[in-house]
Amino acid sequence: SQQGEEDPQALSIQEGENATMNCSYKTSINNLQWYRQNSGRGLVHLILIRSNEREKHSGRLRVTLDTSKKSSSLLITASRAADTASYFCATRNYGGSQGNLIFGKGTKLSVKP
Amino acid sequence: SQTIHQWPATLVQPVGSPLSLECTVEGTSNPNLYWYRQAAGRGLQLLFYSVGIGQISSEVPQNLSASRPQDRQFILSSKKLLLSDSGFYLCAAQGYSPLHFGNGTRLTVT
Repeated sequence: SQQGEEDPQALSIQEGENATMNCSYKTSINNLQWYRQNSGRGLVHLILIRSNEREKHSGRLRVTLDTSKKSSSLLITASRAADTASYFCATRNYGGSQGNLIFGKGTKLSVKP
Repeated sequence: SQTIHQWPATLVQPVGSPLSLECTVEGTSNPNLYWYRQAAGRGLQLLFYSVGIGQISSEVPQNLSASRPQDRQFILSSKKLLLSDSGFYLCAAQGYSPLHFGNGTRLTVT
């Protein structure tokens, strides 16, 4: 069953602008992860934030987590054309079978040069 | 680091034909292994996961089956494909969090 829901479904920006994607989820989580998928390829892990963390940075990526609102955001600063991809949030639930990740439907980001 | 090999990259099969997709993992031992399916423009649906040789759990009832004959080999099969089996199939492995994915197999059932 779907757990995370990304918003917006699609986002188009100019190179150099910041891109913000949001994710909402339904149940208590152990951690939340963001993945990136280039067209027709597998997913690549970007960043993981644990339920007791509120913000995490990795290069041009900034992730926030608000467990009271059951939401997370991914910010990509100074975007580049190479950032064009789909971005998925995934949650690992407490008590989930083998801690399996549940993925959202993704945000399709297009960065125009 | 982990490397996930999936083949073939693309496959076109007629309805009613059998299916066998293979996934092998390098760089880790005793990983958890997963098969996901991704419909066009959609998120990932977990189909099967395995915590060890011969141990398969199915997340959704379907026309597919999975097997793990070796520690780092995961196979997705069907005896008779349906049109609804078309999609992008991804194998993933987890030695330590996070998941590592293969490059997927695009299956078209005609």
